[in-house]
Amino acid sequence: QKEVEQDPGPLSVPEGAIVSLNCTYSNSAFQYFMWYRQYSRKGPELLMYTYSSGNKEDGRFTAQVDKSSKYISLFIRDSQPSDSATYLCASLMEYGNKLVFGAGTILRVKS
Amino acid sequence: GAGVSQSPSNKVTEKGKDVELRCDPISGHTALYWYRQSLGQGLEFLIYFQGNSAPDKSGLPSDRFSAERTGGSVSTLTIQRTQQEDSAVYLCASSLRGDRRGGDEQYFGPGTRLTVT
Repeated sequence: QKEVEQDPGPLSVPEGAIVSLNCTYSNSAFQYFMWYRQYSRKGPELLMYTYSSGNKEDGRFTAQVDKSSKYISLFIRDSQPSDSATYLCASLMEYGNKLVFGAGTILRVKS
Repeated sequence: GAGVSQSPSNKVTEKGKDVELRCDPISGHTALYWYRQSLGQGLEFLIYFQGNSAPDKSGLPSDRFSAERTGGSVSTLTIQRTQQEDSAVYLCASSLRGDRRGGDEQYFGPGTRLTVT
């Protein structure tokens, strides 16, 4: 079993929809939770990071972590075609430096 | 400013040959990471360098893989006697301090796409 599980999709939504992307993890030692966006043929870029449980909002993006259920979510409001990319969740231990990634979810936003 | 750069962007090699992949981190970043991204597998940690400390090699899949970081800056990932299963995108990342004391994000390069025929 992978430490971080993520449905690879693809997920296809119409422009303007609310998108929900999710991951689960198994290692209770994870304390940092990140979401990266990766466009085709590019490296991942950090979108959001959260420490421990809770919510974090940045513009149209909201990250949620529920440590009791080991569940990580990213919500995208008013999705745009430019949001079409692969979204990767990643986790990190308190004093660790090895990011553990999910497989990535391919998102397609249709105009 | 300049981000993480990697070269070559694409590399095709024959099975059994050695390859070298290069990473130039962001200037001033003390930590450097190598990851491998295979189709459907997500990113897999390979090795981590932090300043002058001994590298964390715990993610290297076999002794055919090695990496160096010269002068605390440029890094080279070497794969000896390449196999078809080594085909993947090899990504390099750097971060300012190499720990998670808030705000120490890893910035990724565009990757090197390796194809072993």
